[in-house]
Amino acid sequence: RKEVEQDPGPFNVPEGATVAFNCTYSNSASQSFFWYRQDCRKEPKLLMSVYSSGNEDGRFTAQLNRASQYISLLIRDSKLSDSATYLCVVNWFSGGYNKLIFGAGTRLAVHP
Amino acid sequence: EAQVTQNPRYLITVTGKKLTVTCSQNMNHEYMSWYRQDPGLGLRQIYYSMNVEVTDKGDVPEGYKVSRKEKRNFPLILESPSPNQTSLYFCASSPEREAAYEQYFGPGTRLTVT
Repeated sequence: RKEVEQDPGPFNVPEGATVAFNCTYSNSASQSFFWYRQDCRKEPKLLMSVYSSGNEDGRFTAQLNRASQYISLLIRDSKLSDSATYLCVVNWFSGGYNKLIFGAGTRLAVHP
Repeated sequence: EAQVTQNPRYLITVTGKKLTVTCSQNMNHEYMSWYRQDPGLGLRQIYYSMNVEVTDKGDVPEGYKVSRKEKRNFPLILESPSPNQTSLYFCASSPEREAAYEQYFGPGTRLTVT
């Protein structure tokens, strides 16, 4: 089983749609969770951290379900500029230090 | 402007010809790391450094070397590149000493080894 799993997509949605991505992780001891955004051929950039109580940033809402070990990202009112790959990232304590494990990403394509 | 820079951005080379990819950050970050990204796989960590002169292996260190002689620079060295090292490489830095926090990535280096 992969440490962090995501549906690769692509998710093709019209402008204005609501779309949700899920991500599962295997290490129940993970403490930090993030969503990164990666545009085609560009570097990943932090979109938002994911907190236990869930958090919202404008049109973006992140949720964490520790019992089921999954994280979700909801995008409301999709814009063309939201087209990108969304990476689920989980921290991992191994060998005496924390590191980040990246999912392979979910691709979103928003069309007019 | 706060940033992580990498050079070169694109490189095509032949098997066995030593190369170095430079990475530099101007944010005074302690933590730096190298990743490779391949289709269908997440970013995989090659090496990381928590401070000057402190480096350690990540998940896929074979065939790579690094050094951290100064806080701002963290070059990646391929002593004898092979075709399976064809990949997209990212350098990253973080203000914290461990990687459990936000990382800032360089623009990437696309390497092709023939």
